[in-house]
Amino acid sequence: NAGVMQNPRHLVRRRGQEARLRCSPMKGHSHVYWYRQLPEEGLKFMVYLQKENIIDESGMPKERFSAEFPKEGPSILRIQQVVRGDSAAYFCASSPYGTSNTEAFFGQGTRLTVV
Amino acid sequence: AQSVTQLDSQVPVFEEAPVELRCNYSSSVSVYLFWYVQYPNQGLQLLLKYLSGSTLVESINGFEAEFNKSQTSFHLRKPSVHISDTAEYFCAVKPSMIYNQGGKLIFGQGTELSVKP
Repeated sequence: NAGVMQNPRHLVRRRGQEARLRCSPMKGHSHVYWYRQLPEEGLKFMVYLQKENIIDESGMPKERFSAEFPKEGPSILRIQQVVRGDSAAYFCASSPYGTSNTEAFFGQGTRLTVV
Repeated sequence: AQSVTQLDSQVPVFEEAPVELRCNYSSSVSVYLFWYVQYPNQGLQLLLKYLSGSTLVESINGFEAEFNKSQTSFHLRKPSVHISDTAEYFCAVKPSMIYNQGGKLIFGQGTELSVKP
């Protein structure tokens, strides 16, 4: 059973370009969370999705950021018109249920560098 | 709302010495508590968790943490560290009673443990 797979592992974008980050949850997991880790900081929650639904997006910036988790395929975190401040590590986690006592498993992250 | 404070950003220690990484939290509702470890350029791995029951929880590699409700703390300890324990450690909480918010974790800022020979 493969773990949570994120790709690409490293992504370099010029200012103004779009970044697409992909997350394939563990087999059997239908709950996905995205977190952002800025340099020298802890992880900050961004968004929580179930298949085809956004459940909680309270941590998403209001502009340029969007997320989806389609019925088929990976979850996508999309950042439009990237700026230098978007440079960070983006982690995806998945779990089989959405209850608080369920462990979430993390991917290895995508490290986005905006130049 | 919940918040987590890790009191030390960096903890240098010699091999085989004991270590304590401190974590305090604030919450108006009951929470579950977690410690995660992140090795360089890796994702987070769950080290141990407190959901209910005994307030002392242990990991398979010798770490332990004790939930102290009165002090709202969940400090991580190991009696004798190894070079391989060098990593960043994150304390995190989840609200335990709010199902609709799912499994969202609130993290502390992290503590960088550096074990020297």
